[in-house]
Amino acid sequence: DAGITQSPRHKVTETGTPVTLRCHQTENHRYMYWYRQDPGHGLRLIHYSYGVKDTDKGEVSDGYSVSRSKTEDFLLTLESATSSQTSVYFCAISGKGGRYYEQYFGPGTRLTVT
Amino acid sequence: SQQGEEDPQALSIQEGENATMNCSYKTSINNLQWYRQNSGRGLVHLILIRSNEREKHSGRLRVTLDTSKKSSSLLITASRAADTASYFCATDAWNSGGSNYKLTFGKGTLLTVNP
Repeated sequence: DAGITQSPRHKVTETGTPVTLRCHQTENHRYMYWYRQDPGHGLRLIHYSYGVKDTDKGEVSDGYSVSRSKTEDFLLTLESATSSQTSVYFCAISGKGGRYYEQYFGPGTRLTVT
Repeated sequence: SQQGEEDPQALSIQEGENATMNCSYKTSINNLQWYRQNSGRGLVHLILIRSNEREKHSGRLRVTLDTSKKSSSLLITASRAADTASYFCATDAWNSGGSNYKLTFGKGTLLTVNP
């Protein structure tokens, strides 16, 4: 257990509604990442953070925004959810003790947009 | 776009047999990693091999890396039913300033080990 949790674990929402997913870590890792996992596409990076208030886009960032106001929390927001954003979302962390390479993953959030 | 591509997409073997999965990638790397994902769970780091290494072992895992062919393989020896999972390779990249680090994952190989 790398001290990483995600909430909620499951969510069903309607098209057009805003949704925020939370990733929380207790290990003081510098880097935090949001991925989505879809059949046939594997794991794709949405956004990542390399420090408090420092974020950057991944390969599938359109329609998503993130915020990191403190080390332990990384929020992913879907401003107006669409059916194409139905997916399983994973948060990952890395960087503690200079170990940037290995990422530790949360349990995932299954999001369904109807 | 995916950097790493695993092959095969799915593999079914009997307990006790060896399982080999391959990964090909497109651009130069610093390191290549392998992760495992059990059904419904997050990914778990298995092993990292650096670009200047050719082979690495960890328990029943053996990873090889051929940078000239831009490929890697993961061998699981004497497989067990508990090895049933999806296996992903991941290649890394630093940004030009060296401050940001990220991984690019392949689509994975689904390994089924039958008792």
